[in-house]
Amino acid sequence: DAMVIQNPRYQVTQFGKPVTLSCSQTLNHNVMYWYQQKSSQAPKLLFHYYDKDFNNEADTPDNFQSRRPNTSFCFLDIRSPGLGDAAMYLCATSRDPGVREKLFFGSGTQLSVL
Amino acid sequence: KQEVTQIPAALSVPEGENLVLNCSFTDSAIYNLQWFRQDPGKGLTSLLLIQSSQREQTSGRLNASLDKSSGRSTLYIAASQPGDSATYLCAVGSNDYKLSFGAGTTVTVRA
Repeated sequence: DAMVIQNPRYQVTQFGKPVTLSCSQTLNHNVMYWYQQKSSQAPKLLFHYYDKDFNNEADTPDNFQSRRPNTSFCFLDIRSPGLGDAAMYLCATSRDPGVREKLFFGSGTQLSVL
Repeated sequence: KQEVTQIPAALSVPEGENLVLNCSFTDSAIYNLQWFRQDPGKGLTSLLLIQSSQREQTSGRLNASLDKSSGRSTLYIAASQPGDSATYLCAVGSNDYKLSFGAGTTVTVRA
């Protein structure tokens, strides 16, 4: 049974057209993360929520925003996608913050920008 | 800043051969190290987590070792099968909430 669900699996958008990716979880975890992974590269953390507290990575572009309306859902908004934003976007959860906690990943959303 | 390196980037072996995957990191002050599996176009699945106080962890055909002083971890997969074909990533926990990932080693097991 999928515990971290990402929709859609594939998303195609146009250059500059806003796009929203979604993530939901059934684990009731406190922390939700968004990672960006480009082909053959390591996943890069964009930001995370600890409950309602938003934590942005210093080098995450302003073009990327996130919302967490409740415990179960988290959204990634890309306000004006560029060609360089084409990547796999991974959502992950953990019970509590801190690297001692195991991460649970969704299957990812592959974003293409035309 | 923690840097994690995985060499080689790709590996191809015949079925039945033992796999040895390497991970090196620059800062030995770590909390733990995780190995993940990623199938093409999919998310990551945690395989093993080694705490900084541990030397190794085992799960079935998988064994991961950790040598903090030398900044290295090795993932061994015994008697490889075609179903083991995937990308294997290691991630080092150094800060309170962030993992530093390697770029992974893509393994192909030939039948």
